[in-house]
Amino acid sequence: AQTVTQSQPEMSVQEAETVTLSCTYDTSENNYYLFWYKQPPSRQMILVIRQEAYKQQNATENRFSVNFQKAAKSFSLKISDSQLGDTAMYFCAFMNPPPGKSTFGDGTTLTVKP
Amino acid sequence: GAVVSQHPSRVICKSGTSVKIECRSLDFQATTMFWYRQFPKQSLMLMATSNEGSKATYEQGVEKDKFLINHASLTLSTLTVTSAHPEDSSFYICSAYDPWEKLFFGSGTQLSVL
Repeated sequence: AQTVTQSQPEMSVQEAETVTLSCTYDTSENNYYLFWYKQPPSRQMILVIRQEAYKQQNATENRFSVNFQKAAKSFSLKISDSQLGDTAMYFCAFMNPPPGKSTFGDGTTLTVKP
Repeated sequence: GAVVSQHPSRVICKSGTSVKIECRSLDFQATTMFWYRQFPKQSLMLMATSNEGSKATYEQGVEKDKFLINHASLTLSTLTVTSAHPEDSSFYICSAYDPWEKLFFGSGTQLSVL
């Protein structure tokens, strides 16, 4: 079974600054996907970014980028130019290839301060 | 991104009654959907995998007779909480993979059993 660990329960960052959220996982699989999701107070799960394990290049989506270290089983999320709307709970997720099941970390609550 | 619609968003019911929650993929077909339960400030707990045209696969510890799942079409999965009790009160979320292998979530249903 896979496990996902987010070691930072809470984090804060000043508006316009950069913040990095950590995620490590454990698996014996070679082919899998990793995701970051954002859950604001509305509780809607919003896809932030996806990384396929077979790709060495780190995924980027506008202000969001990841540092994927497959050998170290690490998948951190970097948010640049933080905005107030980035305040949310962030979940790291490991997924077997679709339609496989997913395993979520415990989440990191991020607060962006004005 | 793809749209997964979930209804109702909130339901309050009396103890002993049954409640049905619908999850629809609006712009794609989903042979597999997932149902989760989430307690306040906690992670998502996978309850079951809903498979179109066949029986759902339940995670260990989830009561099949309590949480009935039906995936009658390629765009609709339903979760029925039977004979609901206060301990079933929770936030329930569904998800589905779009054709590009990204997992999208419904907006969730807050169930309160009195």
